[in-house]
Amino acid sequence: EVQLLESGGGLVQPGGSLRLSCAASGFTFSSYAMSWVRQAPGKGLEWVSAISGSGGSTYYADSVKGRFTISRDNSKNTLYLQMNSLRAEDTAVYYCAKPLWFGDPGGAFDIWGQGTMVTVSS
Amino acid sequence: DIQMTQSPSSLSASVGDRVTITCQASQDISNYLNWYQQKPGKAPKLLIYDASNLETGVPSRFSGSGSGTDFTFTISSLQPEDIATYYCQQYDNLPVTFGQGTKLEIK
Repeated sequence: EVQLLESGGGLVQPGGSLRLSCAASGFTFSSYAMSWVRQAPGKGLEWVSAISGSGGSTYYADSVKGRFTISRDNSKNTLYLQMNSLRAEDTAVYYCAKPLWFGDPGGAFDIWGQGTMVTVSS
Repeated sequence: DIQMTQSPSSLSASVGDRVTITCQASQDISNYLNWYQQKPGKAPKLLIYDASNLETGVPSRFSGSGSGTDFTFTISSLQPEDIATYYCQQYDNLPVTFGQGTKLEIK
C-alpha cells in the first residue's frame, strides 16, 4: 500500500524552529519529486515547497523562501521540512504529497499523508 | 503567480441534484488543472486530473471539463457522502496554486 506518514509537528514559539518528517512506503520514493502543502485552520490549501527525486532541485513558495528548507534521504525513504524563524502565520496542518507522475515537481497529488499540526504561538 | 478563482465559495444542494463548480485561472494553463475533495479533518483526495481525467476508483458521477482559463467540475447526482470542500489546483507553473475552495452542503 502506498503511504505517507508525517511527524514532527507541535507547539513552537515565534522565531523558533521545527523539523517535519514524512516517511514514505509502497512506491519507489527516489523516482518522485515530493511536495509539502499546508492548510491554516479553517483556510484553504497552500503549496509550500517541492524537491526533485534526486534532491538536486528544490522549489519554495515566496512566503517561506529563506526560512524553510526541504530535503530528502532516499536511503531512508523520508522527506523533510526544516522550518526556521517560524511566525504565527505558519500555523497550519502540514501535508506531504506525492505526485501522480514521477519527475514532475508540481502535478496532481494522488497520495497525501494524514498531516501534522504546527502551532506557532507564545 | 497564477491566481485560481473558484465559484461559488459555498453551495447548498439536494441529494440527486446536479452540482457545478467553476474555476478560472488568471492566465492560460492549458489543461494543467486538478480537482480535489476534502472532508473535515482529512487530507485532500484527488478526483480529477488534467482537467477531465477521472482518478482511479473515483465514482463516475464526478467529471471535469475545460481548458485554457475556464474549468468546470460537475457532480451529476449529488450523494450524501459528497458533502465536502472542493478545490481546484493548477500546475502549469510553480508555485502550484489552489482555488479558495467550495464548501458543499446538503439542503
